[in-house]
Amino acid sequence: SQTIHQWPATLVQPVGSPLSLECTVEGTSNPNLYWYRQAAGRGLQLLFYSVGIGQISSEVPQNLSASRPQDRQFILSSKKLLLSDSGFYLCAWILSVDHTEAFFGQGTRLTVV
Amino acid sequence: AQTVTQSQPEMSVQEAETVTLSCTYDTSENNYYLFWYKQPPSRQMILVIRQEAYKQQNATENRFSVNFQKAAKSFSLKISDSQLGDTAMYFCARRKGTDKLIFGTGTRLQVFP
Repeated sequence: SQTIHQWPATLVQPVGSPLSLECTVEGTSNPNLYWYRQAAGRGLQLLFYSVGIGQISSEVPQNLSASRPQDRQFILSSKKLLLSDSGFYLCAWILSVDHTEAFFGQGTRLTVV
Repeated sequence: AQTVTQSQPEMSVQEAETVTLSCTYDTSENNYYLFWYKQPPSRQMILVIRQEAYKQQNATENRFSVNFQKAAKSFSLKISDSQLGDTAMYFCARRKGTDKLIFGTGTRLQVFP
């Protein structure tokens, strides 16, 4: 069966510090991978998506970047965090050849202080 | 640009009653996929129901059903016999092309005993 792991679950970081959130998928190959951010009380904003290794599409210009070094690994990074980067980050995957639903990780609550 | 609109930030319903959550979207595609996701307090995203645009029949999953009006680009969710466990954020989403999954801003549903 397919599973998705996202860590850490909670993170408190000072302004100006770097960030690395990792997401890995098991039990599938060549998935589409996504990073979403959910600000407090708001909807899910698509940040990045990837259809293959090394292929990253950015949806919103911002202080973050993403990378996909392996087929089932998706990383969200920042060199210097801003207060506005606080939020709930969700990783998700979809089988690119099957138009079924997305499967989500447990999420990371990031607080920048 | 926002392509999925949920005009009801909050809704409430009494236990055992029926509630309908609204969703509209814009698209130039003829075939696409629509979804309703539930996000309980645990923040885990759970698929509630999905609809394929080329199917005229409205999707149904137990107490959950949709009213899909393709010409009007409307995709509402009806929850029958509401239960306390239905209390959650509900997100409407559309699969855009083969790669993107775009979400609305969500409707917070509170079920009262």
